[in-house]
Amino acid sequence: EPEVTQTPSHQVTQMGQEVILRCVPISNHLYFYWYRQILGQKVEFLVSFYNNEISEKSEIFDDQFSVERPDGSNFTLKIRSTKLEDSAMYFCASSEGGGWTGELFFGEGSRLTVL
Amino acid sequence: QKEVEQNSGPLSVPEGAIASLNCTYSDRGSQSFFWYRQYSGKSPELIMSIYSNGDKEDGRFTAQLNKASQYVSLLIRDSQPSDSATYLCAVTINQAGTALIFGKGTTLSVSS
Repeated sequence: EPEVTQTPSHQVTQMGQEVILRCVPISNHLYFYWYRQILGQKVEFLVSFYNNEISEKSEIFDDQFSVERPDGSNFTLKIRSTKLEDSAMYFCASSEGGGWTGELFFGEGSRLTVL
Repeated sequence: QKEVEQNSGPLSVPEGAIASLNCTYSDRGSQSFFWYRQYSGKSPELIMSIYSNGDKEDGRFTAQLNKASQYVSLLIRDSQPSDSATYLCAVTINQAGTALIFGKGTTLSVSS
C-alpha cells in the first residue's frame, strides 16, 4: 500500500541551528502539507503546497520556515534558526485531490527536539 | 480565528457499547469534514469523510453532519478495545479546501 515516508524519524538539534525535514509523498498525489503536534496538544496546520507553490499557510509558518519540492519526489520543510518551542512532531501529509476531496494521508512523523 | 472544538474526554465505554464523539466548527464556509484516529505516538489515519448533511455509514462507524448547527459527530458501534485512541475531527480551512484544521481530539477508552 502506498505510504508517505518521512526522514529522519527523530532529530536532536541545538537552538539556533537549521533543520531540514524530508518527506516523500504518495507518488500520484499532487497536494502536500506540513503539520506539527507539540506533545499533548493538537495537530496544527503549517503549510499546504500545490503546483510548486504555497497555497495556504498558517500564522505559525513565519519567515523561519520554508518548504521546497527540490525534485519530483521529495518535499522538504526547513526551519532556519530553531527555537526551543519548535520541539514537536512534524507530520508530512499528501492528498490526491485538494478542496472537497482533500483526504490527507500522513507520514509517521519526524520528532524534532531542540535543546 | 477558525476553530474546531471537541470534548477532550476521556470518554470511557465498555466493550460492545456505542461510543458517541462530537465536534463543532466555527466557519460556516467549511465544506468537507473528516474523522481521523490517532493512536498514542502515531500519526493520524483517516476513518471517514462526510460532505453533505445527514448520516454516512461505514462498517461500525457512522458519521453525522448538520451544517446548519455546524456540528459533526461520529458513532462507533460495538466498540472494541482496539478502538481505544484519540479521535480527531478535521474541517477544511476555507471554501477552496486548501488545507484541513484539526480539533484537539477526544480520547476514547474501551474497556474489556
